[in-house]
Amino acid sequence: DQQVKQNSPSLSVQEGRISILNCDYTNSMFDYFLWYKKYPAEGPTFLISISSIKDKNEDGRFTVFLNKSAKHLSLHIVPSQPGDSAVYFCAASNFAGNTPLVFGKGTRLSVIA
Amino acid sequence: GAVVSQHPSWVICKSGTSVKIECRSLDFQATTMFWYRQFPKQSLMLMATSNEGSKATYEQGVEKDKFLINHASLTLSTLTVTSAHPEDSSFYICSARAPNSGETQYFGPGTRLLVL
Repeated sequence: DQQVKQNSPSLSVQEGRISILNCDYTNSMFDYFLWYKKYPAEGPTFLISISSIKDKNEDGRFTVFLNKSAKHLSLHIVPSQPGDSAVYFCAASNFAGNTPLVFGKGTRLSVIA
Repeated sequence: GAVVSQHPSWVICKSGTSVKIECRSLDFQATTMFWYRQFPKQSLMLMATSNEGSKATYEQGVEKDKFLINHASLTLSTLTVTSAHPEDSSFYICSARAPNSGETQYFGPGTRLLVL
């Protein structure tokens, strides 16, 4: 059973517009959520995170929103740039010690110039 | 952010040989590192949790005798793929948590293994 789900395998957005990537989770014990960006043949790069005590965290062009009641989070990128084209992974964890992250399957974002 | 390196970045080997992949935290100490595997167009799959000074914890379905993990120091974990077969060909990635970074994991650049 997948605990972290990214239901859109791909997304295309025009340059300058907003990209919205969605993620749902099922485990109510998760209390920390992260977004990673990954290029082919490279390791994931940490983008932004949010803990369950917040509903929004912003860092430059990237904003993550968390809706705990819906067990849903989203990553907004605005304005989108061609260099943002990559696979984005949503990940979740809990503060119960050195626990591994649980990843979604990823969403491939293509930003079209 | 914290820096994690992996070596080698890619390796091609013959079936039946063993391959060692190193994961190093360059500017911090990591008591725990994680090893992931990624198949083409799929998500990262956790293989095992590497604990400094103790045995690794393997995920269900991952053969511990096949994938040997040694966390010899606070900055180095190694994954050895023993008697590699073509089905072991994959992209292997390690990660570590840096002190004071909460739950954020920093990933190495990955190692692409091709077994002929």
